[in-house]
Amino acid sequence: DTAVSQTPKYLVTQMGNDKSIKCEQNLGHDTMYWYKQDSKKFLKIMFSYNNKELIINETVPNRFSPKSPDKAHLNLHINSLELGDSAVYFCASSPTLVSGNTIYFGEGSWLTVV
Amino acid sequence: GNSVTQMEGPVTLSEEAFLTINCTYTATGYPSLFWYVQYPGEGLQLLLKATKADDKGSNKGFEATYRKETTSFHLEKGSVQVSDSAVYFCALSDDDTGNQFYFGTGTSLTVIP
Repeated sequence: DTAVSQTPKYLVTQMGNDKSIKCEQNLGHDTMYWYKQDSKKFLKIMFSYNNKELIINETVPNRFSPKSPDKAHLNLHINSLELGDSAVYFCASSPTLVSGNTIYFGEGSWLTVV
Repeated sequence: GNSVTQMEGPVTLSEEAFLTINCTYTATGYPSLFWYVQYPGEGLQLLLKATKADDKGSNKGFEATYRKETTSFHLEKGSVQVSDSAVYFCALSDDDTGNQFYFGTGTSLTVIP
């Protein structure tokens, strides 16, 4: 029944590795997002997709690559992980690109790079 | 451009105290305003929202009024409980920017018995 689900919830990996975080929403929404939350709880948008099309691509290293196989899924792949990538990554979705629509968040993926 | 500024935390209150968390915004269009809450170890959940000026959003005893004249959306609760301990985020979305959400920096609230 989870509306926005992401896996894994916890991930500990070594520097230099490549990892992926998967996200799925069962709300029928057109728009999906990836946010990064740092240790001070600051939320930064990374990417936004609308109907599988990239809409927002903030200043994020090329090592981060989103992939949307269909509008219910938005996966995040990270190459050559660095210590500074340690954070909580939140997937989210919203109905359409219209102001007033609520954004729904997943429970987060805690990434620790050692 | 669009931005949200909310009061710095952390905030510590005794149970049953009155809560105010200030939030002001700048926007190019006519934004919708939101408060989200993040409980420890969880994702963000919508607490309340208001989509036009003078609207009041309310939920679980929390309320906030969309004040266009002061560009504010302050969160209030008359009597906080220990279970309200969380991080609170003010946010806006704006049609002019394709419904991109802009979040404040978050305010951590701890309520002590």
